[in-house]
Amino acid sequence: EVQLLESGGGLVQPGESLRLSCVASGYTFNRHGMTWVRQAPGKGLEWVSTISDTGSTFYADSVKGRFTISRDNSKNTLYLQMDSLRAGDTAEYHCAKGRGGFSDGYFDLWGRGTLVTVSS
Amino acid sequence: QSVLTQPPSVSGAPGQRVTISCTGSSSNIGADSDVHWYQHLPGTAPKLLIYGDNNRPSGVPDRFSGSKSGTSASLAITGLQAEDEADYYCQSYDSSLNVFWVFGGGTKLTVL
Repeated sequence: EVQLLESGGGLVQPGESLRLSCVASGYTFNRHGMTWVRQAPGKGLEWVSTISDTGSTFYADSVKGRFTISRDNSKNTLYLQMDSLRAGDTAEYHCAKGRGGFSDGYFDLWGRGTLVTVSS
Repeated sequence: QSVLTQPPSVSGAPGQRVTISCTGSSSNIGADSDVHWYQHLPGTAPKLLIYGDNNRPSGVPDRFSGSKSGTSASLAITGLQAEDEADYYCQSYDSSLNVFWVFGGGTKLTVL
């Protein structure tokens, strides 16, 4: 079955770290870029970070310098290392499989998400 | 404030047609960046509905269609069904900001 499964979310205090994982199955993982998208409570979808099939990385300004995206193609797994977490990072985090390039890029497979709560 | 603007909500009776607009600018939709649409029920995985302005992935009913003109795009849903009640998001690429891929704020579709 073609699917993405996220894990690693939880409750942390401001300033702490968390690492999210996303395991892919049912397709050739190393042929596609991968992306993290988040949804804060009561808000819409927000692009967070993307890693291309060749390892190039891109970040939203809101997380640049604090989050690190990476992938392990041998394990079909995508990661998001989140440091210096803030209350504003509280959200459901979805991983998504990318298609296309920049101006035509979209996400054709998504995971159900993992919830990250940053609170003291 | 989202880069792409969508109405917060739309509604329609079963069998009716509804449209959801997505308004951008000259740095995204107006720059001929493709527009894509997703359906999302909270707690589930978002689903790709339309890609490349007006293309449906395999398995998406032809009741769903997309269009684009100028700096705006639209998603049309005909023959509304109760199962269509969900949140809908447009997405595109923005060349002016260091944001790359941008989403609309989302539209809640209520089937009356």
